[in-house]
Amino acid sequence: EDKVVQSPLSLVVHEGDTVTLNCSYEVTNFRSLLWYKQEKKAPTFLFMLTSSGIEKKSGRLSSILDKKELSSILNITATQTGDSAIYLCAVDGADSWGKLQFGAGTQVVVTP
Amino acid sequence: GAVVSQHPSRVICKSGTSVKIECRSLDFQATTMFWYRQFPKQSLMLMATSNEGSKATYEQGVEKDKFLINHASLTLSTLTVTSAHPEDSSFYICSASRAGGTDTQYFGPGTRLTVL
Repeated sequence: EDKVVQSPLSLVVHEGDTVTLNCSYEVTNFRSLLWYKQEKKAPTFLFMLTSSGIEKKSGRLSSILDKKELSSILNITATQTGDSAIYLCAVDGADSWGKLQFGAGTQVVVTP
Repeated sequence: GAVVSQHPSRVICKSGTSVKIECRSLDFQATTMFWYRQFPKQSLMLMATSNEGSKATYEQGVEKDKFLINHASLTLSTLTVTSAHPEDSSFYICSASRAGGTDTQYFGPGTRLTVL
């Protein structure tokens, strides 16, 4: 059975700190790994990763996939209070045709 | 671009009634729409996948007669919770993708259902 595990489950940091979130997966015929940010309502798309070792960057957020280790990390540098959210990792396996298997999420709280 | 809306955003209903939730892709055509359910402090659980013009595919453990899904057009999918019970109270989120498969899914803002 496909599985996506995120760690830590939650963390609290001060503004300006750097945060690293982890996602590991077990999935049949991996196709892609996606990161989402969920604030009060719907998740918003951050990154889609398909190739190992290629960092994707958007502002202060970056992410990289390691297919050998079956994992991905999401980094947030110079955190701001607006980064407080739940960060969800999801995996798309080739057998599932677009069906995303989500991890439980990491709740990040950034304090002023 | 790629905006998905849901209506209503919040609904409270009595036990035994049916509730319909709409999911619309506002500025693109969505071949595939997905329906998720999220319990408090838990992750999204996929309920079903719907492709325009065909029957929805339900995940294991999801009752298709209870959660009726219709994807009648490329911009609209509906989820009807029939004979709702308090345990159906949850946050229901839809997502839409242009082509399904590995195409990016865009999420709606969700619908909070409370069954009294």
